[in-house]
Parts: sequence; C-alpha cells; structure tokens
Amino acid sequence: KNEVEQSPQNLTAQEGEFITINCSYSVGISALHWLQQHPGGGIVSLFMLSSGKKKHGRLIATINIQEKHSSLHITASHPRDSAVYICAVLGTYKYIFGTGTRLKVLA
Amino acid sequence: DGGITQSPKYLFRKEGQNVTLSCEQNLNHDAMYWYRQDPGQGLRLIYYSQIVNDFQKGDIAEGYSVSREKKESFPLTVTSAQKNPTAFYLCASSPWGETQYFGPGTRLLVL
Repeated sequence: KNEVEQSPQNLTAQEGEFITINCSYSVGISALHWLQQHPGGGIVSLFMLSSGKKKHGRLIATINIQEKHSSLHITASHPRDSAVYICAVLGTYKYIFGTGTRLKVLA
Repeated sequence: DGGITQSPKYLFRKEGQNVTLSCEQNLNHDAMYWYRQDPGQGLRLIYYSQIVNDFQKGDIAEGYSVSREKKESFPLTVTSAQKNPTAFYLCASSPWGETQYFGPGTRLLVL
C-alpha cells in the first residue's frame, strides 16, 4: 500500500462543475503540498498546508491532520484546469508523492 | 526572474552512453533535489543535496551520479549502469526542510 493515496485516479468533468480530489496518507508529516502538472510536464505549486484551509481563486485546499486526509476543490471548473494534480507530503526533509489525479474538463 | 531552469527540455541518448542533465537555481536555496517520474507512478527521489559539496542518495540512486560544486547548480549524470533511463526528470530546490520549487523538467529518451 502506498504511503500517499489519491482518488480518483482519473476524472472527467463538464465545464462549471465542482470538483473534489482526495489525498490520504499514512505517515507523519510536517506539511502537505498540492501540485499541478500540465501536459508539458512542468510542475506548479498550488498550496502548502499544515492545518485548516486555504483558498486561492477558484481553488480550495483543506487538511485534517487527525484523519490524515486532504482535499483539493475546484469551483466552477474550466477546460484550462485540465492537468494532473499531485498530492505530496513533507516529512523531515523528503517529499512522498501520490501518483496523481488526471483531470479533464470538457467545454 | 527567480527560478529553476533545466536543460535541455528533451534529450536523446544512445544505449551505453552517459548523459548529464543540467539544473540551475537563482533562488539562493541551500537544498536541491532530483526526482524521476514514470507513467502511473509518483515522483521518486534520486539524489538530494542539503548544502554545497554535500549530497546524499535518495530512494533510486543506482545508475545515477551528481555533484554540487556550486550552490546554484546540481547536475545529474545518467550513467550506462542505469538500465531503464527513459523517464521524465525533475529538479527542485528549497530552503532545507521547506517547500520545494520545481523546474520545468527534462524528458530523456534512450534510443
């Protein structure tokens, strides 16, 4: 079993839909990171969380430390949100990455 | 502009050849990292360097080598001992133990 599990693995949505991507982890962490990877391969940092909730534009990330779970929400999804979303947990120095959720938003 | 640059974007290698991937950062970060990404798998740590002139093996270091002679630079050499080198390689940097910033990646293809 992977130490960081994401669900779903693949997700197709219609433009405007509310999207939720989940991340569960089984190790102790100092923080959790949500990343976005576009088809060209480059990775962009979305959020770094150690508690509570963060919001940036249409993106919202939450974390529950006791339950070892985080969610990434996208409101009013748009085709430009199509990408792979990766959850990564940070231990002492090292990240452990989930395998990613491939999101496709249809116009 | 501050950031991390990786070159080249695409790299082709013949079997049996060594090849070096470049990673440069101007963020003044002490720590630098190399990751490998394969389809359907999470990123895996190859090597990391906490500070200049020091580096440590990650989870999948076999067949790779690195150097850290300058704070700004952390080149990765994929040697002929790496049996399955075709992958996407990502470099990152950070203040030690903090958020990592990623470069655009290099896609290596062995012919």
